[in-house]
Amino acid sequence: NAGVTQTPKFQVLKTGQSMTLQCAQDMNHEYMSWYRQDPGMGLRLIHYSVGAGITDQGEVPNGYNVSRSTTEDFPLRLLSAAPSQTSVYFCASSYRQGFGNTIYFGEGSWLTVV
Amino acid sequence: QKEVEQDPGPLSVPEGAIVSLNCTYSNSAFQYFMWYRQYSRKGPELLMYTYSSGNKEDGRFTAQVDKSSKYISLFIRDSQPSDSATYLCAIPYYGNNRLAFGKGNQVVVIP
Repeated sequence: NAGVTQTPKFQVLKTGQSMTLQCAQDMNHEYMSWYRQDPGMGLRLIHYSVGAGITDQGEVPNGYNVSRSTTEDFPLRLLSAAPSQTSVYFCASSYRQGFGNTIYFGEGSWLTVV
Repeated sequence: QKEVEQDPGPLSVPEGAIVSLNCTYSNSAFQYFMWYRQYSRKGPELLMYTYSSGNKEDGRFTAQVDKSSKYISLFIRDSQPSDSATYLCAIPYYGNNRLAFGKGNQVVVIP
């Protein structure tokens, strides 16, 4: 059982480039989300999805796009990377949103924008 | 005002000491409180959760909620070097679709 799998683990981008962070889960979870973690800022929610075809914005959505075409996958797209997007990105999933549902996190993707 | 506040200072303790970590939250309607543990270069993992007020124990870990003060605490008894990690409090909000995290406390247990 792989859990939540994120790729790539490390990436260096130039300002203005685009890329997609991949996230896949094999637990048939309805709820998936993306967080970024910055020093002194904690984890902040970027986007989330409560099921295939349904997405919504979190706390810091600007500069990021998401889609949820399947239950398993929830990619995060950076359309035009900026140095302010240098961060560690975590994908997470749970069976459904709400109380009592354990959220499982991936191992993280370290992104540097130069 | 953020949903949850956690003073992000690091904490170094000798092995066997009691570790005490705290967070405050803003909305008295919050009922569900979580603590996550994050090892270096890994994703957070759920350590404990509590519902409403009171204490919850799990081995050497105790989570405590004081709703009158809007204050949540995590205690680690007989701390071990393997407890060295960052501990984050978290609260679901916005119809439970979002999880607000504190900034985390890095704990180092010195053998």
